[in-house]
Amino acid sequence: AQKITQTQPGMFVQEKEAVTLDCTYDTSDPSYGLFWYKQPSSGEMIFLIYQGSYDQQNATEGRYSLNFQKARKSANLVISASQLGDSAMYFCAMRGYNNNDMRFGAGTRLTVKP
Amino acid sequence: SQTIHQWPATLVQPVGSPLSLECTVEGTSNPNLYWYRQAAGRGLQLLFYSVGIGQISSEVPQNLSASRPQDRQFILSSKKLLLSDSGFYLCAWSVQGWQPQHFGDGTRLSIL
Repeated sequence: AQKITQTQPGMFVQEKEAVTLDCTYDTSDPSYGLFWYKQPSSGEMIFLIYQGSYDQQNATEGRYSLNFQKARKSANLVISASQLGDSAMYFCAMRGYNNNDMRFGAGTRLTVKP
Repeated sequence: SQTIHQWPATLVQPVGSPLSLECTVEGTSNPNLYWYRQAAGRGLQLLFYSVGIGQISSEVPQNLSASRPQDRQFILSSKKLLLSDSGFYLCAWSVQGWQPQHFGDGTRLSIL
């Protein structure tokens, strides 16, 4: 069974500063992918970044980077130079290679302060 | 490029009425298709997924059902809605393997 845990219900960050959103996971799959999504108040789910379990380097996409620590089973999202538009819910998700479904964490609400 | 369309955007239905939400994908073939429900302020709950026409896997027993009559069409249905069916319903698609899921804009369903 797969499980995703996001322990921060809400986070605050000052504009232009960096913030880390935590995500831990548990799986018996030897191969898996980890994903982060952003959900603004309008409701759509926006894909941000992906990390494969066998990737040697941490994924980066613009201001987003994924701090992947396989031994600790953590996949934290780092947002650099926060912007007001980054205020949203952020969900960590996981998908085993042999599974067709994706499991989501409970989410973290990020608020960027001007 | 691939696009996903989901409608309606909002829906208000009385208890006991039927439901039909539709989702279509363009620009890809044989996608995996998914229905999720999100309660207010909560995470996503996987309801159904499909890897091909007529193939439906159910994750949660409930009074909802799903069908895939065509390769890129996914329908969520109910014969009789319950108050607990209220929520935000999201359709998503993906290809096999490692690729992420891509979501529609969602349907806000309110049951009165």
